[in-house]
Amino acid sequence: ETGVTQSPTHLIKTRGQQVTLRCSSQSGHNTVSWYQQALGQGPQFIFQYYREEENGRGNFPPRFSGLQFPNYSSELNVNALELDDSALYLCASSWWGGYYEQYFGPGTRLTVT
Amino acid sequence: QQQVKQSPQSLIVQKGGISIINCAYENTAFDYFPWYQQFPGKGPALLIAIRPDVSEKKEGRFTISFNKSAKQFSLHIMDSQPGDSATYFCAARGGGADGLTFGKGTHLIIQP
Repeated sequence: ETGVTQSPTHLIKTRGQQVTLRCSSQSGHNTVSWYQQALGQGPQFIFQYYREEENGRGNFPPRFSGLQFPNYSSELNVNALELDDSALYLCASSWWGGYYEQYFGPGTRLTVT
Repeated sequence: QQQVKQSPQSLIVQKGGISIINCAYENTAFDYFPWYQQFPGKGPALLIAIRPDVSEKKEGRFTISFNKSAKQFSLHIMDSQPGDSATYFCAARGGGADGLTFGKGTHLIIQP
């Protein structure tokens, strides 16, 4: 069984730029959720994708967007980067209709300068 | 508004002792309560989870106690070991497409 993988591991961007982060879900899972974890804080829910559509969103602006592909992998896109976007971005996969268990990947550390 | 309040922020326990972390929630629509363990530079790992129809769940050295009327739940780590030193997060989720709502975390140190 393959776990959740994310790429890249680390990324440095400049304020105003755009970034794309990638996630491959655990085998057998069809739902992907994205979280933002600021230093010293708990993860915050950004949005969730199921059947290639966003079907749940936390308190994040529209410049945070995503995609899910037929193989259930996913992308997180952030436009017009701000300094406060510096964080660990976590992807979690789960089985829609299961018992909510979400399994996290190792994350992508984004630094905005 | 923080919907899941976690305490303490940090905790030091002697090897072999019991580590106890507490969480309280406000949203009565929550129906799933997991605990995650996170090591530096890693993603959170699911430890154990409970639903509100049971008051306790035990897996190995880890036990969740759940008090629905008080809207509180706690994680007990029995026979704590230095390898248990990590940050622990409680979380909660309602139905549908809601994501997990996390507490702010507890930094646990097990002293040998």
